[in-house]
Amino acid sequence: AQSVTQLDSQVPVFEEAPVELRCNYSSSVSVYLFWYVQYPNQGLQLLLKYLSGSTLVKGINGFEAEFNKSQTSFHLRKPSVHISDTAEYFCAVSESDTGRRALTFGSGTRLQVQP
Amino acid sequence: GAVVSQHPSRVICKSGTSVKIECRSLDFQATTMFWYRQFPKQSLMLMATSNEGSKATYEQGVEKDKFLINHASLTLSTLTVTSAHPEDSSFYICSASNRGGQPQHFGDGTRLSIL
Repeated sequence: AQSVTQLDSQVPVFEEAPVELRCNYSSSVSVYLFWYVQYPNQGLQLLLKYLSGSTLVKGINGFEAEFNKSQTSFHLRKPSVHISDTAEYFCAVSESDTGRRALTFGSGTRLQVQP
Repeated sequence: GAVVSQHPSRVICKSGTSVKIECRSLDFQATTMFWYRQFPKQSLMLMATSNEGSKATYEQGVEKDKFLINHASLTLSTLTVTSAHPEDSSFYICSASNRGGQPQHFGDGTRLSIL
């Protein structure tokens, strides 16, 4: 079984400032890692994913994340945020070596970008 | 990119009604579909996993007779909430993946309100 911890429930930040949303996971097996964004009353949109290879992953909308196996972390970063980045962000994992493809989500982090 | 369509987006109905929610993959073959439930300001909780042509696998605590899932084709899965009650009110989101398994692509969700 896996678990995902997003320590920050809310992150307020000013427009054009950098931001980091933290994600740590726990798993007894190898995992794939994902970040999704959810706008109000909508489904989830994939920002980026780590399946294998380079530990620095670049996604859409200028976001990137780095997989750190020793620290079991997959923090999301953006060097300069926009008002439109205000949303809920979910970190998620799934098992990579077994047939189980379901995602386990963190509790989410609400990014609030202020002018 | 991969598109998943979920319908309806919102349902309001009386207690005791059965409600069917459809999830369609529009431009890829979804060998696996997932159904999640999200309570206000909370994360997504997996309800069940369905593989095309097979019975769904339900997560612990999810009543399979209450939440009927059908995945009869590679592009369509349905979730039927039978004899819905107010406690079933929630945001239901489906996702789909192809044979590769990852990533999952999400629908826009269905907000179900039982009066």
